[in-house]
Amino acid sequence: AQSVAQPEDQVNVAEGNPLTVKCTYSVSGNPYLFWYVQYPNRGLQFLLKYITGDNLVKGSYGFEAEFNKSQTSFHLKKPSALVSDSALYFCAVRLNDYKLSFGAGTTVTVRA
Amino acid sequence: DTGVSQDPRHKITKRGQNVTFRCDPISEHNRLYWYRQTLGQGPEFLTYFQNEAQLEKSRLLSDRFSAERPKGSFSTLEIQRTEQGDSAMYLCASSRDLGGQPQHFGDGTRLSIL
Repeated sequence: AQSVAQPEDQVNVAEGNPLTVKCTYSVSGNPYLFWYVQYPNRGLQFLLKYITGDNLVKGSYGFEAEFNKSQTSFHLKKPSALVSDSALYFCAVRLNDYKLSFGAGTTVTVRA
Repeated sequence: DTGVSQDPRHKITKRGQNVTFRCDPISEHNRLYWYRQTLGQGPEFLTYFQNEAQLEKSRLLSDRFSAERPKGSFSTLEIQRTEQGDSAMYLCASSRDLGGQPQHFGDGTRLSIL
């Protein structure tokens, strides 16, 4: 069973507009959730994580994510998108002490 | 830190050949992971080391695959008798041995089987 779902293959926004990338999870208990970004021919770059505490977590490059336990969601957000935010974004959930399960990814395109 | 380093970045080989990839983790990280990523998919877990001990191997890792981490430092991933389906990006990651620490990824080795 898929542990993480990213329902949108692609998200297109205009520069300066808000950006949201959706993620839902399906693990029991209190999840550890992560967002990563991948640029072409590069590895994954860590953006932010939720472990416990405040449902709104802030990360690198102006990104933030909101954890919603009742909706089992962990959507990534940025108030004002930049062209340089165009990349592939992955949501991940920790399955045990060390293993991550990744979503299929969402391609973000920010047009100038 | 200097980041996770992987070598080579690209490998092209003929079907049936053996290939070996190397990963140098961030120096103070004692956890090391290998993932495989195919086009249009997220990374899939292959194996995990805590120091020099390999603690889990995914069922994706057939008998043709072997990974080592001698002395708990760098790691190698070897694929014997490569097949067309082995074509993928192989990613290495490392992390500290503390709860909830993020995994830091290298830029991967892209394997192409002719």
